[in-house]
Amino acid sequence: QLQLQESGPGLVKSLETLSLTCTVSGASISSTGHYWGWIRQPPGKGLEWIGNIYYSGTTFYNPSLKSRVIMSVDTSRNQFSLKLSSVTAPDTAVYFCARLVGVAAILDWGQGTRVTVSS
Amino acid sequence: QSMLTQPPSASGTPGQRITISCSGSRSNIGTNDVSWYQQVPGTAPRLLIITNSHRPSGVPDQFSGSKSGTSASLVISGLQPDDEAEYYCAVWDDSLNSVIFGGGTKVTVL
Repeated sequence: QLQLQESGPGLVKSLETLSLTCTVSGASISSTGHYWGWIRQPPGKGLEWIGNIYYSGTTFYNPSLKSRVIMSVDTSRNQFSLKLSSVTAPDTAVYFCARLVGVAAILDWGQGTRVTVSS
Repeated sequence: QSMLTQPPSASGTPGQRITISCSGSRSNIGTNDVSWYQQVPGTAPRLLIITNSHRPSGVPDQFSGSKSGTSASLVISGLQPDDEAEYYCAVWDDSLNSVIFGGGTKVTVL
């Protein structure tokens, strides 16, 4: 059974870089037809897609975050990662990693990790 | 403001049938497949419907989805107390080259 586990600091200082990793177990990150993605949810608000990455390294990013986002994949560790630079208070959210079929249908979700941006 | 419009709330009594709409445009729902998610507070979302109307294994048949033109709908039949949750639609938008979510609909069982 597929499991996705987010890891990373729960507190990031303003204007620094948020770094999260998602460890995939129960499936290969190199499986064809699946993208791997990040979605976030600010407190009390809805879901916001951050971006997707394919095992080959192909990426799609939310245009509103594109200038600050880098996603990468490590097939040897079955992990993928998110870096979001120059964070500010609006970046405070629960960050979910996910497995998608194609680029838009989110099959499986991690439990989420709360990240707070502190001033 | 989301490019996919959902009603902020919906409610019904146990056993009732409710419909949640998701309105978009030609560049998203009009062209691509819609998926639906259920999120109970404090938990991760769960996939309910994929490719407009298909239920993944394990999703009860009380949930059904459809799409027509630039709108999609999620129907919850036989409403139960544990159906109280937030429901989101999502789709790829060809103009934005982005996944977009609806604003969410909070379902209350009266």
